[in-house]
Amino acid sequence: DQQVKQNSPSLSVQEGRISILNCDYTNSMFDYFLWYKKYPAEGPTFLISISSIKDKNEDGRFTVFLNKSAKHLSLHIVPSQPGDSAVYFCAASAEINTDKLIFGTGTRLQVFP
Amino acid sequence: DSGVTQTPKHLITATGQRVTLRCSPRSGDLSVYWYQQSLDQGLQFLIQYYNGEERAKGNILERFSAQQFPDLHSELNLSSLELGDSALYFCASSVEGTTNEQFFGPGTRLTVL
Repeated sequence: DQQVKQNSPSLSVQEGRISILNCDYTNSMFDYFLWYKKYPAEGPTFLISISSIKDKNEDGRFTVFLNKSAKHLSLHIVPSQPGDSAVYFCAASAEINTDKLIFGTGTRLQVFP
Repeated sequence: DSGVTQTPKHLITATGQRVTLRCSPRSGDLSVYWYQQSLDQGLQFLIQYYNGEERAKGNILERFSAQQFPDLHSELNLSSLELGDSALYFCASSVEGTTNEQFFGPGTRLTVL
C-alpha cells in the first residue's frame, strides 16, 4: 500500500526553466510533508518542508505547494540549474502517531543546458 | 556533509550470514532512524530509537534488530541474510525525535550473494 506516490519516475527540464515535481498521498492523517534531494552515492538531503496548516512555503528557488483537498503537493524549482539534477523524494508524516517518514519512490530530475 | 556517519560503506556477504551496520548521529541529536532502500524503491522506515529507547517500528523483519547505545550511536543487526536483503541502508538523526528534519548518513550498501 503506497501511501505516498510520485507517479513520474523522471523529468527532464532545460536550464533556466521551471521544474515541477509532483507527489500524491492517500492518508488524510498526514500533517507534515518534506522534500529531500539525493545525489548518487550520498544520503538524502533535506530541501524544504510544509505543515498542513499552510498551502505554500518558499525558500529561495524552491517552493512547495500543498493542496489538502486533492491530497497533492508539488515542488517548484525556478530557475532550474544543472546542479539540481538529482533524485527528489517526497515524504510525509503523521506526527500525532510516530516520527517516521513515509517516502515516495522518487523522481529523477535532469536539468540540461 | 550531514554530520551523520555510517560504516561500512559497502558490505558483501553470503546468504545465511549476519552483519552489523553502524551509525553515529550528529552531535547533539538524540533520535536515530533506520531506513532501507531497495532497487527503484523509496526509503522504507525500519525503526527509530530515541535516547536509547525504541520509539517506533516500521516494517522491520524479525531477522533484523537494532539498538542505541549510551553514547547515542546505533547498530542495525541483520541476520540469516537472504538475497532480497540486498539494499541501501540509511541512518538518519534528528534533535528531538521530531519529523521537522532528519539528517541522513551516506548509507551502507549491502550485497547478499
